[in-house]
Parts: sequence; structure tokens; C-alpha cells
Amino acid sequence: GAVVSQHPSWVICKSGTSVKIECRSLDFQATTMFWYRQFPKQSLMLMATSNEGSKATYEQGVEKDKFLINHASLTLSTLTVTSAHPEDSSFYICSANTRVMVEQYFGPGTRLTVT
Amino acid sequence: DQQVKQNSPSLSVQEGRISILNCDYTNSMFDYFLWYKKYPAEGPTFLISISSIKDKNEDGRFTVFLNKSAKHLSLHIVPSQPGDSAVYFCAASAGAGGTSYGKLTFGQGTILTVHP
Repeated sequence: GAVVSQHPSWVICKSGTSVKIECRSLDFQATTMFWYRQFPKQSLMLMATSNEGSKATYEQGVEKDKFLINHASLTLSTLTVTSAHPEDSSFYICSANTRVMVEQYFGPGTRLTVT
Repeated sequence: DQQVKQNSPSLSVQEGRISILNCDYTNSMFDYFLWYKKYPAEGPTFLISISSIKDKNEDGRFTVFLNKSAKHLSLHIVPSQPGDSAVYFCAASAGAGGTSYGKLTFGQGTILTVHP
């Protein structure tokens, strides 16, 4: 149980375009979903927390207008990187849990490369 | 401000021996601790957790020890197997309620290599 999927697993886009990443909880209803970013050989950096049906809470230093998060249902959250630049290239990972869990279950990640 | 620290970037262990991964934290509000295992280009996999009301939790080959007074926890893997080779992240949560519920703070990770 507690399976989280992400799509796509990797994406290459041109500078200035936008890209959407989907995160789905497959076998449970996720009241909360989290979006992380991981740079090479570094830890996971929390970008934002989203609760179903409400606006995402962004961590300090994360631009909410650049990283748009939507959590429209209990099984789906999306992260849209708008007007992507090469410095946005990274590994983006989502996770999910419910109100009765502390542990988060992670998706497999999405490798974004902006050229 | 690194609230969760894993001071050993890497650890090398012989197959069959014990692996001990360490983690220190500074925030006394943390009351739940977790260990995750991560392979390259994959998401972390939850391994084991411990509440601050306990000092030990065991699950098969994995045991987590918590020393609240020292703000230190450790993950013991015994016996270690080559398939355990991965990056191990320690994470901490400041508990339920409010906007921080479920929010995890991660350490930098320790690369474990288990040699056959």
C-alpha cells in the first residue's frame, strides 16, 4: 500500500516554456501532498505543502508565481514550472500522506532539464 | 540553519556486519523521527520511524534508537546486505496540528556501501 506515482519521469523543455508534473496517490486518499526539489548530492528541499482544496503553502525563498501547485482532488496534485530557465533544472519529487500519518510516501521523482 | 544533521557523508561496511547510521537534531520541538532509503534517480522509500516517547523501535533487520537528551538518533542494520547500499536520510517532524503537520525536515544523507 501507500503508492505514489509521478508523471513524467523525465522531461526536457526549452527555456521560457512551462512544464507540468503530476503526482498521484494510487491506493489512498492524500489529504496533504508535498513537493521537494533535490540538487545533486544534496538533501531534499521542501518547496511547498498542499492540502486538497486549498492554496499551497510555500517555503521561504520559493517563488509561488513560478512554481504553481494545484491539489484539486485527494489523489492528484500538480506542479507547474512556469517560464522555465536552466537553473530550474533539477530532480523534483512529490510525497503524500493523510491526517493519520506522519510518514510521507514518495513518488519516483521527475528529472527536469531546461535547455 | 541545518536542524537535522547527518555528519557522515558515507559509510562502508562488510556484508554481514552491522551498519550504524547517525543523525543529530537541534530542534527540541521534533517529536517524530523517520529513516528513508533512496536509490539514485528514485524517490525515497520509508524504512522505519520512532516517536519521541520511545527510545527504540525494531523492524526486522532495522532498529532505530533515540536519545532525546543528546538529540541523537541512529539506525542499525544487521546483518548488512549488498542490497542495502543506498543513500539513507534521517528526517524529523514537529508533530500534528496546524500547518506543520507531516512536514519533514531532512538531513543531508549518508551513502552506505555494503561490500560482499
